[in-house]
Amino acid sequence: QKEVEQNSGPLSVPEGAIASLNCTYSDRVSQSFFWYRQYSGKSPELIMSIYSNGDKEDGRFTAQLNKASQYVSLLIRDSQPSDSATYLCAAFTGGGNKLTFGTGTQLKVEL
Amino acid sequence: SAVISQKPSRDICQRGTSLTIQCQVDSQVTMMFWYRQQPGQSLTLIATANQGSEATYESGFVIDKFPISRPNLTFSTLTVSNMSPEDSSIYLCSVEIGEGQGIYEQYFGPGTRLTVT
Repeated sequence: QKEVEQNSGPLSVPEGAIASLNCTYSDRVSQSFFWYRQYSGKSPELIMSIYSNGDKEDGRFTAQLNKASQYVSLLIRDSQPSDSATYLCAAFTGGGNKLTFGTGTQLKVEL
Repeated sequence: SAVISQKPSRDICQRGTSLTIQCQVDSQVTMMFWYRQQPGQSLTLIATANQGSEATYESGFVIDKFPISRPNLTFSTLTVSNMSPEDSSIYLCSVEIGEGQGIYEQYFGPGTRLTVT
């Protein structure tokens, strides 16, 4: 199993809907998880981090961590066309500060 | 967070040559990292740039191919040596920022888009 796994998509949602992005992880990762947004031709931008079991909300974004099931998700409420991007899940691995990324999920928000 | 700049933003180079990429951050940081993102792929860590000591390279990356300097706490360079078309990628530096309570987050520079012909 890869350390961090994501469905590559594309995931298409209509404008105004909730977009749900999922990521699973192996036992080899630490318990710090990050969601980055990457627009085409741009560098990754950190949008959410989560360290504890449960939900963490920031504006339209909610990160959810379920340690028992080893998954972390990102919900985007009231999706906008400007949310169309690739979303990268990442976690620290190797017992230190090495950040390992999933392959990313492409999100398309359609009018 | 931090303000991170990279130079050059893009370059087209001939095979066999070398390119040095600079990364500058607006505050002193302990940890700086270099990543590669090949076309259509996710990010792969090349090395950790350590201030005052040699960089720590990940499996598959070697110092002769990707020499790194870290002369101070705000600056690092990555050189891509003896380039081949397979080195065509986006190269990104990142910095680690402590957010308190043992929490660390990484922020990325704008990247350098390298094309090797």
